[in-house]
Amino acid sequence: EAGVVQSPRYKIIEKKQPVAFWCNPISGHNTLYWYLQNLGQGPELLIRYENEEAVDDSQLPKDRFSAERLKGVDSTLKIQPAELGDSAVYLCASSPGLASRGEQFFGPGTRLTVL
Amino acid sequence: GQQLNQSPQSMFIQEGEDVSMNCTSSSIFNTWLWYKQDPGEGPVLLIALYKAGELTSNGRLTAQFGITRKDSFLNISASIPSDVGIYFCAGQRKTSYDKVIFGPGTSLSVIP
Repeated sequence: EAGVVQSPRYKIIEKKQPVAFWCNPISGHNTLYWYLQNLGQGPELLIRYENEEAVDDSQLPKDRFSAERLKGVDSTLKIQPAELGDSAVYLCASSPGLASRGEQFFGPGTRLTVL
Repeated sequence: GQQLNQSPQSMFIQEGEDVSMNCTSSSIFNTWLWYKQDPGEGPVLLIALYKAGELTSNGRLTAQFGITRKDSFLNISASIPSDVGIYFCAGQRKTSYDKVIFGPGTSLSVIP
């Protein structure tokens, strides 16, 4: 069974440029999560989807961040414009459903560097 | 906001030694989880705990859900080089629909 797929694995951009990350969850997983992980810290939830509906986006900085999961399968997270402080690892995770009791499957992440 | 604390922040041990680490919170949690993250990879779930006092093992790993529901412990017996990585505790406060909150991690290094 294929795991959570993320691309790109690495991205280097200059500040004020836009950037997008893509995630394909494990087949059949209804719930998809985007996390931000700063160096030396644990993942922090940005947004959580149940199928195509964003059920928790309270931590998403909506002035510059946006996300979509149009068909309830794969998802895209966008930053426009990027700032220096956005340099971090962006992790995608999925689970069979919100009732999966915290058990999530993570992708390898996209490491973003903003210059 | 809600916060989990992990200790120690980092540890260096000899291969074969046992390891203990813990996670504490000022709030009650109904679910405790332990994940491990290798460099360049996402976290992988090691053990999940759902009941106060529960003790669960996964091979050489044993984790406990604290009686107060405000802490959890992870022990690794007879450490080996592949145990190197960052160990995160995580929890859900209320129902299984709550978001998962992660601690800052404990970095483990094993000296052969």
